Order: sequence, then C-alpha cells, then structure tokens
Amino acid sequence: DAGVIQSPRHEVTEMGQEVTLRCKPISGHDYLFWYRQTMMRGLELLIYFNNNVPIDDSGMPEDRFSAKMPNASFSTLKIQPSEPRDSAVYFCASSLETGGGEWSYNEQFFGPGTRLTVL
Amino acid sequence: KQEVTQIPAALSVPEGENLVLNCSFTDSAIYNLQWFRQDPGKGLTSLLLIQSSQREQTSGRLNASLDKSSGRSTLYIAASQPGDSATYLCAVGGSSLAAGNKLTFGGGTRVLVKP
Repeated sequence: DAGVIQSPRHEVTEMGQEVTLRCKPISGHDYLFWYRQTMMRGLELLIYFNNNVPIDDSGMPEDRFSAKMPNASFSTLKIQPSEPRDSAVYFCASSLETGGGEWSYNEQFFGPGTRLTVL
Repeated sequence: KQEVTQIPAALSVPEGENLVLNCSFTDSAIYNLQWFRQDPGKGLTSLLLIQSSQREQTSGRLNASLDKSSGRSTLYIAASQPGDSATYLCAVGGSSLAAGNKLTFGGGTRVLVKP
C-alpha cells in the first residue's frame, strides 16, 4: 500500500498568495484528518472528514483556511491569503473505522507532511 | 479541555538499555490512546493503539500500558537500539467513538540511543 500521499512536500510562497495543499488518503479509509505542527503549539487537529463530509472544523484557525474533500481519494487544504504565521508543517492522516460498537477504533496513519514557508 | 503532557522532553540512553516513556492526561474519559514515532523531517508512524477498555498492547519490543483512572500511559521499548532514536508522541482521543477521532497530542519525548 502506498500510504497517505501529500503534495507538495515543500512550499515557499510570499505573504498574500494562495496556497493549496493536497492529500490522497489510503485507499478504503473512511476518515481523513488535517493537522498542523509548529514548534510553539505542537500538533493540532484542524479539520476531519468522514465519508467525504466535514465533521469537525473547530480547529481551523481562521476563515482564511478552507478544506474540501470532493471524493474519497482526494482532499485539499487551502490558505487564502497566506501569512507568515501560517508557516508550519501540515500533515494529512487517514483511518478506517474498525470493529463495531464499543469495540470500534480508528488508528490514524499519517502522510509525510508539507513544509510551508510563507515569507 | 484535555491536556496531554510528556515528561521528560528529551532522553538519552546507552544502547541496550530499556526505554520508559511517560504520558499523562488530565481527562480520564478517553476513547483511545495512540503512540507515534516521528523521525526528523518525517511524518508520524503509528506504533500502538490502546482502546479505553484495554490495559496494554504489545508489538515486538514495544509495550504500552494504559491506566485511565490515574490518567497515565507508559511506552516501554526493550533493549534499545540506535535506530530507536526519534521523537515519540502520545495522543489521546475523546470520550466517544466520534470524539475519539479528535486526537490531542503531547509535546513528545525526543530519544537518543547512543551506540
């Protein structure tokens, strides 16, 4: 299995530009997560989807951030306009709900991340 | 609000010594707990997942325990090797299956195993 695929791996842009990060989850997984990692705040969940539907976006920092999942094999995280404080590593993760009832669990598998630098 | 703490932030041991990594959380109403490994500049690799009804999970040289009542989990790595050098992250899921998807991460413990 190819694992979670993210592109680009590195992105350098100037303040005010639009940035689009892409993610392909593991085939068959029904959950997709977007995280952000910084030295100051560690790893933070931004938003997650179940069966392509956004479930919880309470971690999205501002209206400048938006995420979509048009189909089961693709998701995007967009920042418009970008600011220097958005510089971070953005991770995508996916999982498959396994088991049933109280024995259900979701083990999350992470992509390699996109390192974003906004100048 | 759930808070997850990992102490110490960094740890250095000689090769062959057993590693003990600690994770504590403030809200014991968790659905699951997951341990990850992160190598520099890389993504996270899932090591073990413990459901709230379990007390421990084992995989090879790794063993993770969970004590919900005290809000603690411990990751044991037996007979450490230089290849075990990495940052280890603990993440706690919320109190239901739905909330369990929302992982709260600790700050990690950076481990160096010296040959």
